[in-house]
Amino acid sequence: DQQVKQNSPSLSVQEGRISILNCDYTNSMFDYFLWYKKYPAEGPTFLISISSIKDKNEDGRFTVFLNKSAKHLSLHIVPSQPGDSAVYFCAAISSYSGAGSYQLTFGKGTKLSVIP
Amino acid sequence: EAGVTQFPSHSVIEKGQTVTLRCDPISGHDNLYWYRRVMGKEIKFLLHFVKESKQDESGMPNNRFLAERTGGTYSTLKVQPAELEDSGVYFCASSPRLAGGYLQAQETQYFGPGTRLLVL
Repeated sequence: DQQVKQNSPSLSVQEGRISILNCDYTNSMFDYFLWYKKYPAEGPTFLISISSIKDKNEDGRFTVFLNKSAKHLSLHIVPSQPGDSAVYFCAAISSYSGAGSYQLTFGKGTKLSVIP
Repeated sequence: EAGVTQFPSHSVIEKGQTVTLRCDPISGHDNLYWYRRVMGKEIKFLLHFVKESKQDESGMPNNRFLAERTGGTYSTLKVQPAELEDSGVYFCASSPRLAGGYLQAQETQYFGPGTRLLVL
């Protein structure tokens, strides 16, 4: 049973426009969320994160929004650039796992294509 | 600063053979994680080392998988004997260990490029 869901396998956006990637989660014990970006034949690269005590975190062109009541988060990229074309993974951590392990629970990813 | 490195980048073996994957974390990182992505599925946690100790191995699929981290530096993941369903990409990640006992942004996990394993 997937605890982190990215329901859109792919997304195409025109260069300069906004890209919005969505993620839903089911485990209410998750309290830290991350977005990773992945290029082919490479490992995931950390992009931005947000703690459950916040509802927004911004870093340059990237903003992550968290709606705890809806168990939903989104990543906004403004403006989108061709170099942003990659697979984006949403991931979550529960610091209450009891095992003392901050294992990441990933979604299946969304492939973003930014068209020049 | 060198990133997480993994060896080999690719491995093709026959069912029943043994394969050993290696991960070298970022220098000074006490936490080392192994993950696996089977084709079409999400990236899944396998296990977590803190230095040389196994902190959490709840994600290990079965006893054909053996992970070690002798000396608390590099780690190996051995699959013996390999089965067809073991095919996938095996990622290693590392993060520093910070004081405080609660998760901080600085404990972000940094991933290696992965080892692509194909069992025929």
